[in-house]
Amino acid sequence: EAGVAQSPRYKIIEKRQSVAFWCNPISGHATLYWYQQILGQGPKLLIQFQNNGVVDDSQLPKDRFSAERLKGVDSTLKIQPAKLEDSAVYLCASSFRQATGELFFGEGSRLTVL
Amino acid sequence: AQTVTQSQPEMSVQEAETVTLSCTYDTSESDYYLFWYKQPPSRQMILVIRQEAYKQQNATENRFSVNFQKAAKSFSLKISDSQLGDAAMYFCAYRSGGAQKLVFGQGTRLTINP
Repeated sequence: EAGVAQSPRYKIIEKRQSVAFWCNPISGHATLYWYQQILGQGPKLLIQFQNNGVVDDSQLPKDRFSAERLKGVDSTLKIQPAKLEDSAVYLCASSFRQATGELFFGEGSRLTVL
Repeated sequence: AQTVTQSQPEMSVQEAETVTLSCTYDTSESDYYLFWYKQPPSRQMILVIRQEAYKQQNATENRFSVNFQKAAKSFSLKISDSQLGDAAMYFCAYRSGGAQKLVFGQGTRLTINP
């Protein structure tokens, strides 16, 4: 079974530039999550999708971050314009059985903002 | 809001010995799940073990076991017969029974000394 795919693995940009990350969840997983993991900290949820609808985006900085999940499969997370404090690993995860709570994570996209 | 605290930023153990990682959480709910996730360097996060709050019996998965103290809101992970492949960041996580997102602790970096 293929895992959660993310790209790019690494991205370096200058502040005020834009960047986009892509995620393809495990086939059949209805729930998709984007987490931000700043160095030395635990992951923090940015946004959660159930199929193509948003369940929770309470911690998404909506003035600069946006995310979409068209057709309830792939998802894209965009940052525009980027700030220095956005340097982090962006983790995508998906889950099938909500009751068990197990999330399957991708390898993450590491963003460096200079 | 629920919070998860891991008070040990780093731990080390000799190969083949036993180590315990600590985690405490704060919640007013009675229905919830607790997890330990492992994040090897540059690799994706994977589930180690899961505990349902309504279960009194501590979960066990091979060399990994938990000590779940519900009244004390404590959830520690014991790794027996430590192996070099156990070296990783370990995250404790909480999930409300009514929600789907995971709330993570800050993580503990575990080093295995040969």
